[in-house]
Amino acid sequence: EAGVAQSPRYKIIEKRQSVAFWCNPISGHATLYWYQQILGQGPKLLIQFQNNGVVDDSQLPKDRFSAERLKGVDSTLKIQPAKLEDSAVYLCASSSLQGPGELFFGEGSRLTVL
Amino acid sequence: SQKIEQNSEALNIQEGKTATLTCNYTNYSPAYLQWYRQDPGRGPVFLLLIRENEKEKRKERLKVTFDTTLKQSLFHITASQPADSATYLCALVNYGQNFVFGPGTRLSVLP
Repeated sequence: EAGVAQSPRYKIIEKRQSVAFWCNPISGHATLYWYQQILGQGPKLLIQFQNNGVVDDSQLPKDRFSAERLKGVDSTLKIQPAKLEDSAVYLCASSSLQGPGELFFGEGSRLTVL
Repeated sequence: SQKIEQNSEALNIQEGKTATLTCNYTNYSPAYLQWYRQDPGRGPVFLLLIRENEKEKRKERLKVTFDTTLKQSLFHITASQPADSATYLCALVNYGQNFVFGPGTRLSVLP
């Protein structure tokens, strides 16, 4: 079974530029999450989708971050304009509605904002 | 507000000993609690989950306890090996599949 795919793995941009990350979850997983993980900290939820609807985006900085999950499959997370404090790893995870809901994570996209 | 704490940022132990990691939380009533392992440059990987009505779960050399009165979970790795060196994250989960992660404990098992 293929895992969660994310791209790009690394991205370096200057502040005020924009960036987009892509995630393809495990086939059949209804729930998709985007987390931000700053070095030395635990993952912090940005947004949770169930199919193509938003379940929780309370911690998403909506003035600069946006995310969508068209057709309830893959998802993109965009930052525009980026700030220095956005430097982090952006993790995508998915889970099935069946069972207790362990998360399957991708390898992450590491963003450096200069 | 919700708060999750994990004991010490880093824990060093000798190979063969038992590593015990702690996860404490406040202002939260999780349906279950999960533990993940994260290696440098990789995404977290699920290890174990324990439900609110369970006291203890085991899987090979891993054991998790959950005390909802103390609001604490303990994660044990017995007969630790250098390959167990990683960061371990606890996550609280509610019935709405909302996951909240702790800051993690970096475990180093010294040969």
